Amino acid sequence: DIQMTQSPSSLSASVGDRVTITCRASQVISNSLAWYQQKPGKAPKLLLYTASKLESGVPSRFSGSGSGTDYTLTINNLQPEDFATYYCQQYFSIPPYTFGQGTKLDIK
Amino acid sequence: EVQLVESGGDLVQPGRSLRVSCSTSGFPFGDYVMTWFRQAPGKGLEWVGFIRTKGYGGTTEYAASVKGRFSISREDSKSIAYLQMNNLKTEDTAVYYCSRGRGYCSSTNCFPYYFDYWGQGTLVTVSS
Repeated sequence: DIQMTQSPSSLSASVGDRVTITCRASQVISNSLAWYQQKPGKAPKLLLYTASKLESGVPSRFSGSGSGTDYTLTINNLQPEDFATYYCQQYFSIPPYTFGQGTKLDIK
Repeated sequence: EVQLVESGGDLVQPGRSLRVSCSTSGFPFGDYVMTWFRQAPGKGLEWVGFIRTKGYGGTTEYAASVKGRFSISREDSKSIAYLQMNNLKTEDTAVYYCSRGRGYCSSTNCFPYYFDYWGQGTLVTVSS
């Protein structure tokens, strides 16, 4: 199974900041990566797929990049509604679908 | 509007069974692979399994942690997916989510890649 490791596990930032979350796969996943946002008590929400393609309706301040085993989610101009937990998920070698452990983004 | 609504979560004793449902609307249910995930309290997301469309035999795939105990089925006429959980263990305690996947289907197989709509989840607690 492919292991996904996110860093950092938690992150504090302020409104207006730019933040970057990293996801590393245990083997090459060739951009087969999705990012989700989850708020407490809510279901995950798809943000990006194929590493950098923005899901319809997701604000353009969210972006993704990377290749090989290393990928990043960047949020520009943080908004109050962006404070949440973020997960990466690989679909290069499935099943199983594997997620990173999550990165909790909270307000500084 | 696409909607997925899980139901049936409950408190059950170890070793017992439970079936949870995922009622959907707003999209052609029969055309989509339906997938179940779970999230233990305070933990991350875990894939449970999925069921392909009838066009691909309605076949299923499961995570190793639930294989042989859980089964997924679908009732296309009602746009409902089910997760049957048998021989439940305390470590199965979690919120269970159903989701609609988007992915790739060839002439012989079909896999969701990522998941664009999710239900709100239903809590299953396994405890004596």
